[in-house]
Amino acid sequence: TQLLEQSPQFLSIQEGENLTVYCNSSSVFSSLQWYRQEPGEGPVLLVTVVTGGEVKKLKRLTFQFGDARKDSSLHITAAQPGDTGLYLCAVLPYNAGNMLTFGGGTRLMVKP
Amino acid sequence: NAGVTQTPKFRVLKTGQSMTLLCAQDMNHEYMYWYRQDPGMGLRLIHYSVGEGTTAKGEVPDGYNVSRLKKQNFLLGLESAAPSQTSVYFCASDRQGRGYEQYFGPGTRLTVT
Repeated sequence: TQLLEQSPQFLSIQEGENLTVYCNSSSVFSSLQWYRQEPGEGPVLLVTVVTGGEVKKLKRLTFQFGDARKDSSLHITAAQPGDTGLYLCAVLPYNAGNMLTFGGGTRLMVKP
Repeated sequence: NAGVTQTPKFRVLKTGQSMTLLCAQDMNHEYMYWYRQDPGMGLRLIHYSVGEGTTAKGEVPDGYNVSRLKKQNFLLGLESAAPSQTSVYFCASDRQGRGYEQYFGPGTRLTVT
């Protein structure tokens, strides 16, 4: 089993809809990152959350770190075609040195 | 400022052939990483380097070797390619390690037949 489970794996919605994707684990982490990867490109960091219960907003994207620091959610309001991509969460486990661990990702398609 | 660049972008190899993937960064970052990305499995770390002349194994190092002779370059080698190494390979770098903020290259799509 993977350390991080992301759900759903695939999501196809119409422009203007709202959506939430999840990153879950049974382990506790000191911080969690969200990346977005567009087709044919490398991932780009969107946000890092470090405090349990923390909420960060990036325009129409809202990121929340669970109170117990085991999970996180990403909510997109009024999705646009430009939001299409693969959303990855990543953590640095306590015994992992410099090795980030990534979830399997949620592939989002927003149709015009 | 090019950030992180990778060459080549695409490559097809026959089983048993060898090749080297080159990663270059112009941000003076100490830490560099090689990942592979397979459908549904996110990114898995192959090897990484915490500075010039140093390398370390990641989660999936078997079948790969790396070298960091210059701070700005990180090479990934496949000595005898296998179909299981068909994947998209990403290089990344960051300033201070510990998952600070990694900057990724555009990837190399490798197919081994």
